[in-house]
Amino acid sequence: AQSVSQHNHHVILSEAASLELGCNYSYGGTVNLFWYVQYPGQHLQLLLKYFSGDPLVKGIKGFEAEFIKSKFSFNLRKPSVQWSDTAEYFCAVNNFEAAGNKLTFGGGTRVLVKP
Amino acid sequence: EAQVTQNPRYLITVTGKKLTVTCSQNMNHEYMSWYRQDPGLGLRQIYYSMNVEVTDKGDVPEGYKVSRKEKRNFPLILESPSPNQTSLYFCASSSGGAGFYEQYFGPGTRLTVT
Repeated sequence: AQSVSQHNHHVILSEAASLELGCNYSYGGTVNLFWYVQYPGQHLQLLLKYFSGDPLVKGIKGFEAEFIKSKFSFNLRKPSVQWSDTAEYFCAVNNFEAAGNKLTFGGGTRVLVKP
Repeated sequence: EAQVTQNPRYLITVTGKKLTVTCSQNMNHEYMSWYRQDPGLGLRQIYYSMNVEVTDKGDVPEGYKVSRKEKRNFPLILESPSPNQTSLYFCASSSGGAGFYEQYFGPGTRLTVT
């Protein structure tokens, strides 16, 4: 079964610091990759997604992620965070061939940006 | 506006009292799914449905039932809730067919079972 690991459970940063959140998945076949964000009290929003093509994906709000197939990784980055980036971030993976539309999520990383 | 709605948003109940959480989407999506979110565990799939009258278990189906009588609705039923079902529940929907399509999530239902 596919699994997704997010390395950090909690991250605390100051405004303007750079952010990188790690995500590794277990399946070696063709995958679709996602990062979702959940702001306090709100529902999940899609930050960015990778289906194919350029492994460097740009999403909303200045976020980007890089798919490195050889490392089974899809790390999320933002060069300069803002207080409003305080949220929980989830990496998710889909392996359509094996599991249809099912998304497998990582455990989430809570990010706190101090003003 | 394209959306997934869930009701209720918050629910406190007691052990053993049957409850239903409704989910509805207005995008004519074939695929619908329920997830539960628990701290440190991310979201885990409970049940999913590929289309009307087609449902199947996800990773954590024990204690839950679902039905899909209409394309737009996918209710989650807890026949006899227990405290370990206290969680945040999300419904999601997407187009179906050959290939994966982006899933759209509802606002969540926070359930507390005492």
